[in-house]
Amino acid sequence: QVQLQESGPGLVKPSETLSLTCTVSVGSIWNSNTYSWDWLRQPPGKGLEWIGSIYYTGKFYYSPSQKSRVTISADTSKNQFSLKLISVTAADTAVYYCARRTDGSQRGWFDPWGPGTLVTVS
Amino acid sequence: EIVMTQSPATLSVSPGERATLSCRASQSVSSNLAWYQQKPGQAPRLLIYGAYNRVTGIPARFSGSGSGTEFTLTISSLQSEDFAVYYCQQYNDWPPWTFGQGTKVEI
Repeated sequence: QVQLQESGPGLVKPSETLSLTCTVSVGSIWNSNTYSWDWLRQPPGKGLEWIGSIYYTGKFYYSPSQKSRVTISADTSKNQFSLKLISVTAADTAVYYCARRTDGSQRGWFDPWGPGTLVTVS
Repeated sequence: EIVMTQSPATLSVSPGERATLSCRASQSVSSNLAWYQQKPGQAPRLLIYGAYNRVTGIPARFSGSGSGTEFTLTISSLQSEDFAVYYCQQYNDWPPWTFGQGTKVEI
């Protein structure tokens, strides 16, 4: 059963770069075109926001609202993918989740999710 | 961007009662809609995809319906473990993949 786990600093200073890594257990993130590997976030007490996706082909999508600040990359040797968000402000304080998205025609749900990691910008 | 609107924001229900949660899309998403359950301090958990397909292991008391712009998640007889926040998500028109703001089901 696939499991995901986020890791990275829990505190980032304003104007600096937020960097998180998601480690995927079981299987390879690069051997299937059925899935993408995604980042989402949830500010305290608020709803869910999709940030971006990366595919095994290296193709990626970013949220229009975050596009100018986000980079998602992958390390094939470690079965990990990463998020970098530059020039953070207090509005970027959130629980950050990595998740697998089932891709394809009439597909696009997120399952499973990592447990999430709280990143505070202060 | 498709905007998803959920109602009500909070639903107060007694154990054993039926809960009906609504989700509306700003334009048609066909049946490309998922529902998630989130408990405090936990990640969201996928319940339903394709508007009405229950994920393996999800109890039959959870059911989804609707298509186009109007969707419903029904919990037929609320159990104590069902009190949580529920989110809908569309995957018809992307990016971005978008979520509703959530409905909290409380006792």
